[in-house]
Amino acid sequence: QSVLTQPPSASETPGQRVTISCSGSTSNIGNNPVSWYQQLPETAPRLLIYNSNQRPSGVPDRFSGSKSGTSASLVISGLQSDDEADFYCAAWDDGLSGYVFGTGTTVTVL
Amino acid sequence: EIQVVESGGGLVQPGGSLRLSCAASGFTFGGYAMTWVRQAPGKGLEWVSSISRFGGDAYYADSVKGRFTISRDNSKSTVSLQMNSLRVDDTAVYYCAKNSGSYWGDNRFGPWGQGTLVAVSS
Repeated sequence: QSVLTQPPSASETPGQRVTISCSGSTSNIGNNPVSWYQQLPETAPRLLIYNSNQRPSGVPDRFSGSKSGTSASLVISGLQSDDEADFYCAAWDDGLSGYVFGTGTTVTVL
Repeated sequence: EIQVVESGGGLVQPGGSLRLSCAASGFTFGGYAMTWVRQAPGKGLEWVSSISRFGGDAYYADSVKGRFTISRDNSKSTVSLQMNSLRVDDTAVYYCAKNSGSYWGDNRFGPWGQGTLVAVSS
């Protein structure tokens, strides 16, 4: 059962901006950094954002992350057709002594 | 190139056992924690278990605690997941991933392997 809540879907036209939210609690997002993962269709996930707002090398700067209190957000700017994927947030949960993933958001480019 | 490759998946009956393996290459294996994450068909990601660099610490999701055991062999750059008392709801693709975080709270899973499918059915 996912502890972090995301909207099930988001969509926008090419070139526009999409924001995905991730809502948690003080035991996870409120006290630990957030990571975001992108899963393209029929592929393994890949790390997109870590430490709430850092991008690994190779990830375009169109992807940005932020965190405030017990919530986090992923913003995709300049949306492209190959951005269509499922996106998941994740964080360590101090109460569970383990990691928790978000429910996942499917991004569709109209 | 940093790479992780899972193996060992298959079809097993409820109550049965299976051992998954993950072979890593391209990085100093003993310098990083390792993690297993699963994804049931058509569902989201679920963290399963993580093990520290030298194997002294291991964490499990409540859903697998007491049934699954994670271990590692740094001399062979492998991490394993022993799965016992398997249930139908354990059916999923199991992914192995390097955890590059500097502490447990800093989750940076990547790269991920291609996954190995575990199907639990009678």
